[in-house]
Amino acid sequence: EVQLVESGGGLVQPGGSLRISCSASGFTFSSHNMHWVRQAPGKGLEHVAAISGNGGTTYYPDSMKGRFAISRDNSKNTLYLQMSSLRAEDTAVYYCVRRDPGSSPFDPWGQGTLVTVSS
Amino acid sequence: EIVMTQSPATVSVSPGERATLSCRASQSVSSDLAWYQQKPGQAPRLLIYGASTRAPGISARFSGSGSGTEFTLTISSLQSEDFAVYYCQQYDNWPYIFGQGTKLEIK
Repeated sequence: EVQLVESGGGLVQPGGSLRISCSASGFTFSSHNMHWVRQAPGKGLEHVAAISGNGGTTYYPDSMKGRFAISRDNSKNTLYLQMSSLRAEDTAVYYCVRRDPGSSPFDPWGQGTLVTVSS
Repeated sequence: EIVMTQSPATVSVSPGERATLSCRASQSVSSDLAWYQQKPGQAPRLLIYGASTRAPGISARFSGSGSGTEFTLTISSLQSEDFAVYYCQQYDNWPYIFGQGTKLEIK
């Protein structure tokens, strides 16, 4: 069974940093691009970052460039998101998602980890 | 950046009836369009990809249509478990933008 399990969320002060993780199992991790998507409380879905299977290429929407860094360790089947200079508006549930090679949707999604930015 | 617009924002439908949700792209995304269902407190779940292909395990009551810029998700004979928020997403051009969602509520 394919599983994605996020961890590392929590309360962080404005201006602080946090790294969240996603542990993958049930598939060949290195063969898939991986993504982070976030959802602020009561809001819609927002794409945060993506990374190629070998980790050599990363993608960020213009609105996310500069403060977020996606990475992966294929030896540990783990995806990471390093977040810095955090703001209240970064408060959200962060989901890890898999994307099959080629033109394909996001499937499956992890259960998400909540990041709260507040003093 | 492609803009995805869903309508309506909220739709009220009685159980057993049919619901029709719309999604429009600001430019052509071919058939690279997915629909997701999200229930409160849960992660989104893939329903439809390629504009019209049901994901494994998804009920035949869910159907998708359209191509280019206009897409529709139809849910026939609504069941209680279908009341949720539905998002469309284009994955034709980076970034893979989501629509703002349509809330399907019980009438």
